[in-house]
Amino acid sequence: AQSVSQHNHHVILSEAASLELGCNYSYGGTVNLFWYVQYPGQHLQLLLKYFSGDPLVKGIKGFEAEFIKSKFSFNLRKPSVQWSDTAEYFCAVNAWTGGFKTIFGAGTRLFVKA
Amino acid sequence: GAVVSQHPSRVICKSGTSVKIECRSLDFQATTMFWYRQFPKQSLMLMATSNEGSKATYEQGVEKDKFLINHASLTLSTLTVTSAHPEDSSFYICSAVDSQNTEAFFGQGTRLTVV
Repeated sequence: AQSVSQHNHHVILSEAASLELGCNYSYGGTVNLFWYVQYPGQHLQLLLKYFSGDPLVKGIKGFEAEFIKSKFSFNLRKPSVQWSDTAEYFCAVNAWTGGFKTIFGAGTRLFVKA
Repeated sequence: GAVVSQHPSRVICKSGTSVKIECRSLDFQATTMFWYRQFPKQSLMLMATSNEGSKATYEQGVEKDKFLINHASLTLSTLTVTSAHPEDSSFYICSAVDSQNTEAFFGQGTRLTVV
């Protein structure tokens, strides 16, 4: 079955530190990949997405992600985090598996210390 | 990007009553919509896939008689929580897929509280 794994459930960083959140998926076919962010008390917002082409995808707010097909990974990165990046981050994959579904990872809760 | 509107954003109901949540795609036609449930501090769990004009496909462990889904048009899907109980209290989120079947757009969610 299609699944999405996020390696870190909680991450604590100081401002200006670099961020990398891991995401691996299990599906052998063509996939579309997403990272969403959920700020406290708010709904999901799309950070970035990968459909095809350049495997290094740049999103909003200085985030980027790299699709490595051989590793089934789509890790999220940001060179220098800010306090305002404190939020929960979800990796998601959609693919056709007898039906079209978007499956989410468990999420990573990021806390950035000022 | 495309807009998905979910209504109501918050609802409080008495135990035993039913609650209907609407999900509308405002500027595109969505042949497929999805319903998710999010428990506090947890990820989104897919409940069911709703296809216009046909029966919804429920994920394992989701009671189809409890969570009734109707997708009568290309822009509207509804989720009805029947005979709600306190354990049904949760955050329910819908998403709609565009005609290219490439990206899902999310509603703002509905916080259901059953008292």
